[in-house]
Amino acid sequence: EVQLVESGGGLVQPGGSLRLSCAASGFTFSTYSMTWVRQAPGMGLEWVSAIRNNGGDTHYGDSVQGRFTVSRDNSKNTLYLQMNSLRAEDTAVYYCARGRQGHIISDAFDIWGQGTMVTVSS
Amino acid sequence: EIVLTQSPVTLSLSPGERATLSCRASQSISTYLAWYQQKPGQAPRLLIYDASNRATGIPARFSGSGSGTDFTLTISSLEPEDFAVYYCQQRNNWPTFGPGTKVDIK
Repeated sequence: EVQLVESGGGLVQPGGSLRLSCAASGFTFSTYSMTWVRQAPGMGLEWVSAIRNNGGDTHYGDSVQGRFTVSRDNSKNTLYLQMNSLRAEDTAVYYCARGRQGHIISDAFDIWGQGTMVTVSS
Repeated sequence: EIVLTQSPVTLSLSPGERATLSCRASQSISTYLAWYQQKPGQAPRLLIYDASNRATGIPARFSGSGSGTDFTLTISSLEPEDFAVYYCQQRNNWPTFGPGTKVDIK
């Protein structure tokens, strides 16, 4: 079964850091670009970051540029999102998702994880 | 940044009726548009990619059309499980999503 499972969410104080993980299974992880999308409570979807299948190309939304870092370990079939200098407005469910076509970094997303909640509050 | 606008905000319909959802882009995005369905507490599900192609396992009652700046998602006959929020997303540039259309039961 093709699956993505996020972990690492939780409660963190403003200014703090958190690292999210996304474990992939059921497909050849190293051949797909991956992305992070978030959804604040009661709100719509916001694209956060993307990384090409080989890890050589990364991109970020304006709201997280300079604070978040996306990476991947293809030997462990795992995607990461390092989040630093967290703000209250980063509070959201964070989803990892697979790019449909594989190597295309800006793509439609055909497989999604169940999401992990990040709450930034004092 | 390419801005997507969706209309209506809410669509109130009965099972069996036809639903027509609109998505408009702030500039031309060719056919680089996808549609997703999201139910409460669940992750989004890809319905349509590249404006008119159904994703794997998506029923034929879902169809997409459009190019350039104007796109439509049509659900030909609403089933009870289709009442949800629908988002469009463009990939012509870095991805952006529309604000969503909620399809609820009349």
